[in-house]
Amino acid sequence: AQSVSQHNHHVILSEAASLELGCNYSYGGTVNLFWYVQYPGQHLQLLLKYFSGDPLVKGIKGFEAEFIKSKFSFNLRKPSVQWSDTAEYFCAVSPFNDYKLSFGAGTTVTVRA
Amino acid sequence: NAGVTQTPKFRVLKTGQSMTLLCAQDMNHEYMYWYRQDPGMGLRLIHYSVGEGTTAKGEVPDGYNVSRLKKQNFLLGLESAAPSQTSVYFCASSYSIEQPEAFFGQGTRLTVV
Repeated sequence: AQSVSQHNHHVILSEAASLELGCNYSYGGTVNLFWYVQYPGQHLQLLLKYFSGDPLVKGIKGFEAEFIKSKFSFNLRKPSVQWSDTAEYFCAVSPFNDYKLSFGAGTTVTVRA
Repeated sequence: NAGVTQTPKFRVLKTGQSMTLLCAQDMNHEYMYWYRQDPGMGLRLIHYSVGEGTTAKGEVPDGYNVSRLKKQNFLLGLESAAPSQTSVYFCASSYSIEQPEAFFGQGTRLTVV
């Protein structure tokens, strides 16, 4: 079974700072990649997804992620964070011909005003 | 459009008690999942279903049972609750292998004392 590693457990930023969250997975085949966000007290919502094509994908709320196949990575970025980006962020992976998602442990992002 | 609805939202059980968590989706999704979320461990798959009348074990199935008698509903049962089952439980659904992104319910916070 594949595993998903998120490098940062907790990131603290000031508003307008740039954000980058790392995600690596251990699966040798073709994969589908996702980033989900969980705002305090809420359910998980899809931020963005990558299935194929352009390795730089754009999602909602100004987030983007880059798939680097050679590094088995799918890092999430946002150029300028806002206080409302305070949340927990999860990277998830599924094999191309599968439907079950494997999640990373999550990264808590705290944005200070 | 309700999406994925979970009931109840909160529950406190005594050790040894039983309960059933209900998940309902109105998106005509084939696949449904139950995850548990624990601090620092991300989401772990308990059981899943690939269609009406089917169920399968996920990563952490022990102590849980599931049923999917109707396509729109996926029930998670705890026959004899243990403190180790204190967690937040999320139900999710997805449409197909070609569209594997999962949509999540609001979660059920369960405490076993």
